[in-house]
Amino acid sequence: GNSVTQMEGPVTLSEEAFLTINCTYTATGYPSLFWYVQYPGEGLQLLLKATKADDKGSNKGFEATYRKETTSFHLEKGSVQVSDSAVYFCALYNFNKFYFGSGTKLNVKP
Amino acid sequence: SQTIHQWPATLVQPVGSPLSLECTVEGTSNPNLYWYRQAAGRGLQLLFYSVGIGQISSEVPQNLSASRPQDRQFILSSKKLLLSDSGFYLCAWIRPRENTEAFFGQGTRLTVV
Repeated sequence: GNSVTQMEGPVTLSEEAFLTINCTYTATGYPSLFWYVQYPGEGLQLLLKATKADDKGSNKGFEATYRKETTSFHLEKGSVQVSDSAVYFCALYNFNKFYFGSGTKLNVKP
Repeated sequence: SQTIHQWPATLVQPVGSPLSLECTVEGTSNPNLYWYRQAAGRGLQLLFYSVGIGQISSEVPQNLSASRPQDRQFILSSKKLLLSDSGFYLCAWIRPRENTEAFFGQGTRLTVV
């Protein structure tokens, strides 16, 4: 079947620290992979995506590389800001459905 | 451009009362439509999805139902709410047959008391 596993939070970092949020997936076929971000009280917004193996998605300083050999799509950012505080969801799209991880809450302190 | 509208934004309902949440999409045709629920501190659970008018697939057995009376309208309903139905409900759409992104509504915070 299809599923996504991501590291549990919350993750608390100081401003300008390096961020990694791990995400691994199980899927049949050739899924697309996504990272979504949710700010308090809002819906989800697309952060970045990758549609095939070895693709790198990037946006707003965040990056993730589609690794088929390790079935992973880890999210990274070199220097986080307070405004990056949110919940981050890893997701895959396969056969007309989106499957989401449980979300990782990121707290960035000044 | 495409937009998705979901309402109401917040709702407080007593146990045993009915529910109707509505979602509409503008600027596209024949979208795939989805209802997700996000319980407090947990991830997103897919409840229903629809690939066309009158076509509803249920992902989990529960107290809720969904309908798609028009191409760009998706409704989540319940005849009698339970306390466990409380949560944050999100509507989403994607263009079919394209590996693209899911577009989400702003969500409805439902509290059953």
